[in-house]
Amino acid sequence: NAGVTQTPKFQVLKTGQSMTLQCAQDMNHNSMYWYRQDPGMGLRLIYYSASEGTTDKGEVPNGYNVSRLNKREFSLRLESAAPSQTSVYFCASSELGGYNSPLHFGNGTRLTVT
Amino acid sequence: DAKTTQPPSMDCAEGRAANLPCNHSTISGNEYVYWYRQIHSQGPQYIIHGLKNNETNEMASLIITEDRKSSTLILPHATLRDTAVYYCIVTSGSRLTFGEGTQLTVNP
Repeated sequence: NAGVTQTPKFQVLKTGQSMTLQCAQDMNHNSMYWYRQDPGMGLRLIYYSASEGTTDKGEVPNGYNVSRLNKREFSLRLESAAPSQTSVYFCASSELGGYNSPLHFGNGTRLTVT
Repeated sequence: DAKTTQPPSMDCAEGRAANLPCNHSTISGNEYVYWYRQIHSQGPQYIIHGLKNNETNEMASLIITEDRKSSTLILPHATLRDTAVYYCIVTSGSRLTFGEGTQLTVNP
């Protein structure tokens, strides 16, 4: 039981390049989330998926797109990377959504955009 | 979701209890109080959550005041491995908003 797995762990992009961050969970959870964390700051919600087939914007969705591929997988895409997107990205999942259901986090993808 | 206020930093001696406060004076009746922690460079880790009653698990205890406007996370016997940023979050839905948390440093 691996929990929440994120790939890659590290990535360096040039401005304007695109990439997809992958996230998979093996806990049969319904809800999945993407957060970003900048140095010295708390986590900010980018997008979330309350259940398979649905996605919603969080606090900071601009410059990102998401796909809930199936119940297990939730990917985050940067179409044209910018230096302001340099950050650590965390994926999380929960059984029922944050209401009465804890989030389980992956160990993050560290992205640098030059 | 209700906003929370936490002290930016706290210190605790190893082996002593660590009491981390959180104010959430605008909390609504259906909002839960959650605590997470983040050890340097790792993903946040769930600790405990509650609605009205005090809660205890193998990691910590959560004390919620009767008016629910504040809460305290208690680590009964802090160890060096408990050094982390602790986040108090209040939510009634699918979205969790993380503030800047409290940096707890456990000293030998």
